[in-house]
Amino acid sequence: EVQLLESGGGLVQPGGSLRLSCAASGFTFSSYAMSWVRQAPGKGLEWVSGIGGNIVRTHYADSVKGRFTISRDNPKNTLYLQMNSLRAEDTALYYCAKGYYYDTSGRMAFDYWGQGTLVTVSS
Amino acid sequence: EIVLTQSPGTLSLSPGERATLSCRASQSVSSSYVAWYQQKPGQAPRLLIYGAISRATGIPDRISGSRSGTDFTLTISRLEPEDSAVYYCQQYGSSPPTFGGGTKVEIK
Repeated sequence: EVQLLESGGGLVQPGGSLRLSCAASGFTFSSYAMSWVRQAPGKGLEWVSGIGGNIVRTHYADSVKGRFTISRDNPKNTLYLQMNSLRAEDTALYYCAKGYYYDTSGRMAFDYWGQGTLVTVSS
Repeated sequence: EIVLTQSPGTLSLSPGERATLSCRASQSVSSSYVAWYQQKPGQAPRLLIYGAISRATGIPDRISGSRSGTDFTLTISRLEPEDSAVYYCQQYGSSPPTFGGGTKVEIK
């Protein structure tokens, strides 16, 4: 059974940093691209960042480029999102999602999602 | 980036009725790379349809997807109370992947 368990969310001041983690199990983690997708309170879904299974390529939404960094540790079956220079508009539930489709241009879709970790940016 | 516009915003129907959800793309979506997700309150999204027409594992055949040009449709043929949710379309025919704004389906 595929399981994705996010952690690391919390309350942070504008300009601060957080590191999210996603522990994966139930599939061969290194064989699949992974993404972070966020959902602001009461709003729709927004893709944030993605990474190939072999780590060669990373992809970012324009809204987070230069501030967020996605990475993965395949031996530890863990995905990360380092978030710096956080803004109020980054407040959202952050989902880790497993890619069932991916190519190196950044096209991707998702077949399994975690339950999310909440990030609140406020003073 | 490709913008997806979903309509209607809310659909209120009775059990047993047919629900038709629309997703219109601002430009052509390569290779029918559109997925549909269901999200119930307090839950993560669940993949229903990929490649515009293919059902994901475990999805009943009363749920189907179709395409006509830049218009994509999700149809739930016989609504059940458990279908009450928000439904999102997503395109992955170009980067970045983008989502529609969602359609809320209410069961009377």
